[in-house]
Amino acid sequence: QVQLVQSGAEVKKPGASVKVSCKASGYTFTSYDINWVRQATGQGLEWMGWMNPNSGNTGYAQKFQGRVTMTRNTSISTAYMELSSLRSEDTAVYYCAREGRDGYNSAGFDYWGQGTLVTVSS
Amino acid sequence: QSVLTQPPSVSGAPGQRVTISCTGSSSNIGAGYDVHWYQQLPGTAPKLLIYGNSNRPSGVPDRFSGSKSGTSASLAITGLQAEDEADYYCQSYDSSLSGSNWVFGGGTKLTVL
Repeated sequence: QVQLVQSGAEVKKPGASVKVSCKASGYTFTSYDINWVRQATGQGLEWMGWMNPNSGNTGYAQKFQGRVTMTRNTSISTAYMELSSLRSEDTAVYYCAREGRDGYNSAGFDYWGQGTLVTVSS
Repeated sequence: QSVLTQPPSVSGAPGQRVTISCTGSSSNIGAGYDVHWYQQLPGTAPKLLIYGNSNRPSGVPDRFSGSKSGTSASLAITGLQAEDEADYYCQSYDSSLSGSNWVFGGGTKLTVL
């Protein structure tokens, strides 16, 4: 069965960086884009960007450009999201999500990781 | 504020029908981009409920249905059950001068009375 398993909770100081991992299993890792979405406590979902695990191509939301980097290691079917220059407003649960396909069309984010809480505090 | 607008809350009694609206603009839903819907139970990751405006992934009950018209979309839930109490989010693609992004609605909290 398809699974996305994320790394554990992190506590970081303002100005630091955090790198969250997302290990995929149950499907061919390079066949589906991985997206990253975050959610602050009590708030809605916020899309951060996408990565094509096959090519390594990425696309980031304008809000995060210059601060976010999405990479992958295909040998271990793992995607990574690194966010730098952290501030208190970055405190949130970060999710990775696989983007399904329906022919040439997107079929939404069909599988999600369990989420990783990143807390930014001095 | 979110690019896609949803009502903050809706409610209904068990067995009733409720709808959740998702209003966009000409740069997203109105441009022909599909709408997807997610259900998020407390403390859990979102779950895909509807994709491509009106398609249900396997395992999603047919009590859930989606539609799209013009710059808006709707999620309907019939035969409301206590387990449906959750947050619901719509999602679409937005393409404007500032770039192309996935965007979400602000979310709607469904309360089963």
